[in-house]
Amino acid sequence: QQPVQSPQAVILREGEDAVINCSSSKALYSVHWYRQKHGEAPVFLMILLKGGEQKGHEKISASFNEKKQQSSLYLTASQLSYSGTYFCGTERAQGAQKLVFGQGTRLTINP
Amino acid sequence: DVKVTQSSRYLVKRTGEKVFLECVQDMDHENMFWYRQDPGLGLRLIYFSYDVKMKEKGDIPEGYSVSREKKERFSLILESASTNQTSMYLCASSPPGMGYGYTFGSGTRLTVV
Repeated sequence: QQPVQSPQAVILREGEDAVINCSSSKALYSVHWYRQKHGEAPVFLMILLKGGEQKGHEKISASFNEKKQQSSLYLTASQLSYSGTYFCGTERAQGAQKLVFGQGTRLTINP
Repeated sequence: DVKVTQSSRYLVKRTGEKVFLECVQDMDHENMFWYRQDPGLGLRLIYFSYDVKMKEKGDIPEGYSVSREKKERFSLILESASTNQTSMYLCASSPPGMGYGYTFGSGTRLTVV
């Protein structure tokens, strides 16, 4: 069963903040986040392992609440280059190594 | 940098044809995956492989098969292409173990007419 991402789409002005959520009905071991620009391959951003750890990557960070089976991706002071579709990928068991992806969140940053 | 190369960017095939989609990675990764991407549905796993000659079904394997004769190459086969298999196909690879993300190829957009 695929995780559910929200919102499905968001439009921001440059410099604004965004939060993208990823929820699963199943217990999770890890959550991956990827960004895909139009016509390109998805690119790995970060992975969060079971333990509630928060990670950061430039002005993009994420958290993982294993009790709620939820992860959130935070984009602060968004830049034009942040535009794209963001996917979460969930791994249900340690060692499974196969990801089930959400349906994606399209982020548009306008000048 | 790890490179995952998919042999064709665009492909048009006729209904009933046998179709081969090829994927090659150059970093000696054990894990390889085939996903299809459709608007509003995200990426859905078709098949994956943890090692040479090993394969496991993903969430939507019907109508597909795979082959992994060499570590670097993972092929997706559509035995008899149908119009509902028109889609973007993405190949990915990753090292074994925890904490590693996938590296994706640029995709093959397949149209079945």
